[in-house]
Amino acid sequence: DQQVKQNSPSLSVQEGRISILNCDYTNSMFDYFLWYKKYPAEGPTFLISISSIKDKNEDGRFTVFLNKSAKHLSLHIVPSQPGDSAVYFCAASALGLNDMRFGAGTRLTVKP
Amino acid sequence: DAGVTQSPTHLIKTRGQQVTLRCSPKSGHDTVSWYQQALGQGPQFIFQYYEEEERQRGNFPDRFSGHQFPNYSSELNVNALLLGDSALYLCASSLSQDRSSYNEQFFGPGTRLTVL
Repeated sequence: DQQVKQNSPSLSVQEGRISILNCDYTNSMFDYFLWYKKYPAEGPTFLISISSIKDKNEDGRFTVFLNKSAKHLSLHIVPSQPGDSAVYFCAASALGLNDMRFGAGTRLTVKP
Repeated sequence: DAGVTQSPTHLIKTRGQQVTLRCSPKSGHDTVSWYQQALGQGPQFIFQYYEEEERQRGNFPDRFSGHQFPNYSSELNVNALLLGDSALYLCASSLSQDRSSYNEQFFGPGTRLTVL
């Protein structure tokens, strides 16, 4: 039962351009969403999050957008840098629950 | 601050054997969660430990068990290993979560388990 889906296994963008990573979820109980970045041989690192009471959250070059009616969120990286090349996981949780549900990840490659 | 540490880094076992993985949480954290990440997949929640008890469990068989010690470190045990247990096992630590807030989980580098 895959409740969080990232339908694009990979994405390649040019340095300086925008990267848009997408995520869909099916469980309407989810009310907190996170993006993690993972480099090889390292654990996932928290990047940015958003609560369901918001539709946008910004942190520097990273912005997450949430469309609750469509059960869709996206991560925008502007401008993209080669160091952003990694696997990005979308995760969802619900208040009071202790686990997170992860998507399968999107491998982002930023070309110089 | 050493962050979340896990041992060993890599492990090779044969079918039917038992394995124990270890995790030390980030300083100040009291809650430890374990995830299994199969190749090409996202992490899947196994269980979470708080105050030395299993607080929540994902959809994993009883062959997967755990323990949390008074110093908040934790172990994941897997019995009767199957080929399908080959995966990256991630430990994540956090502060105890109450019902009015979320607490970010910090992940360790993982233990790569290969079952032959």
